[in-house]
Amino acid sequence: RKEVEQDPGPFNVPEGATVAFNCTYSNSASQSFFWYRQDCRKEPKLLMSVYSSGNEDGRFTAQLNRASQYISLLIRDSKLSDSATYLCVVTTGGSYIPTFGRGTSLIVHP
Amino acid sequence: NAGVTQTPKFQVLKTGQSMTLQCAQDMNHNSMYWYRQDPGMGLRLIYYSASEGTTDKGEVPNGYNVSRLNKREFSLRLESAAPSQTSVYFCASRGPGDEQYFGPGTRLTVT
Repeated sequence: RKEVEQDPGPFNVPEGATVAFNCTYSNSASQSFFWYRQDCRKEPKLLMSVYSSGNEDGRFTAQLNRASQYISLLIRDSKLSDSATYLCVVTTGGSYIPTFGRGTSLIVHP
Repeated sequence: NAGVTQTPKFQVLKTGQSMTLQCAQDMNHNSMYWYRQDPGMGLRLIYYSASEGTTDKGEVPNGYNVSRLNKREFSLRLESAAPSQTSVYFCASRGPGDEQYFGPGTRLTVT
């Protein structure tokens, strides 16, 4: 079983739609959780950290479910510019090595 | 604040040639990383440096060497390039909350 798993998609949604991605992780000692956005042929960029209490940044909401070992990303009112690959990243306490999911592709169409 | 910078942006090598990819960060981060990204494979860790003066192997270190020159700079060397090393290479540094900051990448083609 992969340590961090994501549905590769693509998720094809119309502008204005709400879309959600999940990411499951296998190591119960995981401590830090992040969502990154990667545009085609560009570097990954930090979208948001995921806290135990959940967090929201504009149209984006991230949540952590420790009991079921997954994190989620909700995007409301999708824009064409949201089209990208979304990477889930998990870090275990005491480790310098983050674990990346392979990413979920989102395509927002007019 | 430049963040993480990488040079060169593009490089074409012939099999057997050597080259060094340069990376620097100006955020005073202790830990730095080198990844490669291939289609359908996701990001794979080549080497990392937890702090100045230390380096460790990641998932795919064969064919590469690294040098942590100082706190700012972490270079990746290919001693004898092979076509299998054709990839996009990203350098990253780790922030205080475990988040990673990536450079713009080097697109390397080995013919």
